[in-house]
Amino acid sequence: RKEVEQDPGPFNVPEGATVAFNCTYSNSASQSFFWYRQDCRKEPKLLMSVYSSGNEDGRFTAQLNRASQYISLLIRDSKLSDSATYLCVVNRDDKIIFGKGTRLHILP
Amino acid sequence: NAGVTQTPKFRVLKTGQSMTLLCAQDMNHEYMYWYRQDPGMGLRLIHYSVGEGTTAKGEVPDGYNVSRLKKQNFLLGLESAAPSQTSVYFCASSRPTAGLQETQYFGPGTRLLVL
Repeated sequence: RKEVEQDPGPFNVPEGATVAFNCTYSNSASQSFFWYRQDCRKEPKLLMSVYSSGNEDGRFTAQLNRASQYISLLIRDSKLSDSATYLCVVNRDDKIIFGKGTRLHILP
Repeated sequence: NAGVTQTPKFRVLKTGQSMTLLCAQDMNHEYMYWYRQDPGMGLRLIHYSVGEGTTAKGEVPDGYNVSRLKKQNFLLGLESAAPSQTSVYFCASSRPTAGLQETQYFGPGTRLLVL
């Protein structure tokens, strides 16, 4: 089993809709979690950190479920500019593991 | 602050040629990384460094060497390029806190084509 797994998508979602995707991790010793966004032919950029209590940044909400070993990202009122690949990142000690990403297409 | 910069942005090599990719960061970060990204494979760690003068192997180190002579620079070398090394190379840096990784900041990438 891969240490970090994501549904590759693509998720094709109409503008204005709500979309959510998950990322599962296999190592219960994982310590910190992040969502990165990567636009086509660009570098990954941090979207948000994921805390046990959950966190929200505008239209974006991230949740961590340690018992089931997954993190989630919810995007409300999706915009065309949200079209990108979303990478899940899991840290454990000195090791950083990137998921392969979930592609999201927002349709006009 | 420029953040993380990479040189060159694009390069075409012939099989067997050598080259060095340069990564520079001006954020005084301790940790630096080199990744390659290929379609369907995601980001794969080649080598990384936890401080000046130290380097370590990542997931896919074969065919690459690195050096971290100065804290702000991390060089990735290809001694004898192969077509399998055609990829997009990203450098990143971060500053650990209490042994955990903080946010990684990525450079814009270097697109390498080996013919």
